[in-house]
Amino acid sequence: DVKVTQSSRYLVKRTGEKVFLECVQDMDHENMFWYRQDPGLGLRLIYFSYDVKMKEKGDIPEGYSVSREKKERFSLILESASTNQTSMYLCASSLGRAKNIQYFGAGTRLSVL
Amino acid sequence: GQQVMQIPQYQHVQEGEDFTTYCNSSTTLSNIQWYKQRPGGHPVFLIQLVKSGEVKKQKRLTFQFGEAKKNSSLHITATQTTDVGTYFCAGRGKLIFGQGTELSVKP
Repeated sequence: DVKVTQSSRYLVKRTGEKVFLECVQDMDHENMFWYRQDPGLGLRLIYFSYDVKMKEKGDIPEGYSVSREKKERFSLILESASTNQTSMYLCASSLGRAKNIQYFGAGTRLSVL
Repeated sequence: GQQVMQIPQYQHVQEGEDFTTYCNSSTTLSNIQWYKQRPGGHPVFLIQLVKSGEVKKQKRLTFQFGEAKKNSSLHITATQTTDVGTYFCAGRGKLIFGQGTELSVKP
């Protein structure tokens, strides 16, 4: 079974803090993704990566950055957290571009106060 | 850019009733995927449709891909409480997700 592990289930941070959300997958997948999920808005893609050290902006990258130094790990960074970044963050991975079934982590519910 | 719209946003049914959610894309899709997210859980892959007009079944769930490959539907026959959750469609590419349909089932 594919396992996608997100480092925290719940996080509470203060406005202006730098926040790191970590995601690790154990199936040697090429692709990794970060989404945020808000009621009524579905899953919105923040950033994705098709390879190590490679990143591409998704639909809502503003206020976020990512890092993929190793194939199995994809980090989402909030440089200066704001209250409108309070959300559920989901990490996902898929095998490759042609095999794009996504496997999701359990999610991190981030509250920015 | 490519958009995937899903309706309805919410659906409340009595156990035993049927349920359908619809997914429409502004552009032709090479394939479409469906995911289910249980309350408090994460999206889990259900199925992928690739061919024009394709129909696939999983027990009480029937998935269809439109002839023009721009729309899809998920139909659940005789809903059960275990069907509760949010159903998402997702279009090919980096995967554009629809907004999801939240299904609640009253016993």
